Amino acid sequence: GDSVTQMEGPVTLSEEAFLTINCTYTATGYPSLFWYVQYPGEGLQLLLKATKADDKGSNKGFEATYRKETTSFHLEKGSVQVSDSAVYFCALSEGFQKLVFGTGTRLLVSP
Amino acid sequence: NAGVTQTPKFRILKIGQSMTLQCTQDMNHNYMYWYRQDPGMGLKLIYYSVGAGITDKGEVPNGYNVSRSTTEDFPLRLELAAPSQTSVYFCASSPTGGGGYTFGSGTRLTVV
Repeated sequence: GDSVTQMEGPVTLSEEAFLTINCTYTATGYPSLFWYVQYPGEGLQLLLKATKADDKGSNKGFEATYRKETTSFHLEKGSVQVSDSAVYFCALSEGFQKLVFGTGTRLLVSP
Repeated sequence: NAGVTQTPKFRILKIGQSMTLQCTQDMNHNYMYWYRQDPGMGLKLIYYSVGAGITDKGEVPNGYNVSRSTTEDFPLRLELAAPSQTSVYFCASSPTGGGGYTFGSGTRLTVV
């Protein structure tokens, strides 16, 4: 079945550092790909998405490019802030039925 | 807009007790979902609904039941609580399915 694999956390960075969180997927068809963010004590929020190969999703300085050849959707940000500290989930959807989530990657940014 | 509202936020149950987790959305979304989140395990789908009167099982439905009598409400019922149901439960909705979900803030349930 479909699955999503994320890098283990926590990822610990200093403010203004470059961020990469790796995400790869396995799917039988052509899924849409998503990044969700969960701040402490809150529900998940959609961060960005891409619906077809080579699409780039972007929001709040975060970017991710849908790479079909490597089945990847890595999340990047050029300069992280303390307020970016959260858990980031990569997910895919092959239809209306459900999202399949990765296990999440915790990001800790120190001043 | 309130979005997706879940109640209660926290609950402690004894083994064998029953309870209903409430979920309401005010966005007129057809699709609604229940997920559970366990530490280090991501989110697992319990049940979902594509419209009023229509529900279906997800990956981990055992021990749970749902109903969808209106577009707005999608309650999750635990009939005989077990320690394995200790988790954080999230309700979500979507206008068309396909991944752009709006999540509630969650219910943290502990079964002792």
